[in-house]
Amino acid sequence: GQNIDQPTEMTATEGAIVQINCTYQTSGFNGLFWYQQHAGEAPTFLSYNVLDGLEEKGRFSSFLSRSKGYSYLLLKELQMKDSASYLCAVRDSNYQLIWGAGTKLIIKP
Amino acid sequence: NAGVTQTPKFQVLKTGQSMTLQCAQDMNHEYMSWYRQDPGMGLRLIHYSVGAGITDQGEVPNGYNVSRSTTEDFPLRLLSAAPSQTSVYFCASGPSGEWEKLFFGSGTQLSVL
Repeated sequence: GQNIDQPTEMTATEGAIVQINCTYQTSGFNGLFWYQQHAGEAPTFLSYNVLDGLEEKGRFSSFLSRSKGYSYLLLKELQMKDSASYLCAVRDSNYQLIWGAGTKLIIKP
Repeated sequence: NAGVTQTPKFQVLKTGQSMTLQCAQDMNHEYMSWYRQDPGMGLRLIHYSVGAGITDQGEVPNGYNVSRSTTEDFPLRLLSAAPSQTSVYFCASGPSGEWEKLFFGSGTQLSVL
């Protein structure tokens, strides 16, 4: 079966750095995506990785290792508004998105 | 631009009732889809469409119907509501060639009693 694993919840301090991990086992791989979802709102697209390595976009970076079936989302200089759930999704061989259950990130002052 | 407009925001149904969730996008996206989101689970794809007149089933299609008569609209019909369909529903669209960069509607909280 297809499976995407993320920690259920993480806590971090304002101004710090946090790394949210995602491991996947899917039938084929055609890209990995990170979305942000604030409570009660719709998910919004954050990043896309298809090749190994680090993609940086401002305070957010996303890393991919296809051989290890592993990705992480790195958030720097955390702000209170970063409190949200972060969803990892993988596009499989049928070009469908398989979603993880999400990681709820709590930022404390 | 309005983006993806989804209505209603909240709905309560009795078991056996039918209803339609509306979804419209004004970005000329070819790809549109419906997801449900349940606590502790990832988003699950119900139905999707890659263009007007074309629809296909996702992971959890049973109990739902869709149609795509225009590029803009992609309604989701619940045929006979069941308590297991209590969920938050999201409509999402994506541009051709980059449809995984989805734009989501604001969601519908549906409760079936």
